[in-house]
Amino acid sequence: DIQMTQSPSTLSASIGDRVTLTCRASQSIDYWLAWYQQKPGKAPKLLISKASTLESGVPPRFSGSGSGTEFTLTINRLQPDDFATYYCQQWNAYIQTFGQGTKVEIK
Amino acid sequence: QLQLEESGPGLLKPSETLSLTCTVSGVSISSNTNYWGWIRQPPGKGLEWIGTTYKSGSNYYSPSLKSRVTISEDSSKNQLSLKVRSVTAADTAVYYCARLVTATLVFDIWGQGTMVTVSS
Repeated sequence: DIQMTQSPSTLSASIGDRVTLTCRASQSIDYWLAWYQQKPGKAPKLLISKASTLESGVPPRFSGSGSGTEFTLTINRLQPDDFATYYCQQWNAYIQTFGQGTKVEIK
Repeated sequence: QLQLEESGPGLLKPSETLSLTCTVSGVSISSNTNYWGWIRQPPGKGLEWIGTTYKSGSNYYSPSLKSRVTISEDSSKNQLSLKVRSVTAADTAVYYCARLVTATLVFDIWGQGTMVTVSS
């Protein structure tokens, strides 16, 4: 089974900061990786698909990169609405796995 | 506009079978451009993929849940269902249904989730 490891578990940052979240797969998943944002009591929201494709309506300060086993989600100029938990998710041979999440909190 | 709504009993006893329904509106669940999945989230923890139903009745499940889980579709009601057998306290979670986009293999539309508690 493919394991997804996100780092860090928690990230403290200030408004306006640039932050980078990492997701590592235990084996290559090409570019079949998504990023989601989740706020307390809400369903996750899809931000990025196929490692780097920004979903419609998602602010361009979000960007994704990577392929194979290492992926990053970057948020430029952090906004108050961005404080949330972020999850990566892989698809490989019909099996899907989520990372354990990175919580972005206010410093 | 595509919408998903989960429903089911909020409280179960250990060893019972959990049965949840996801009602889909705005698109046919039989459409070739849509697949459907279930995801859960224990209180205070991360997301866990349960399983996804593809076309031709092909379902794939998390290896850790495969022996206890069944996902099925009822196209006449435009509903998706999830059954989890022999539940324990570890199955306590918010359960979500979601659409898996065929082109990108991501969950783009989610239901609001339904809380299920397993307790004696």
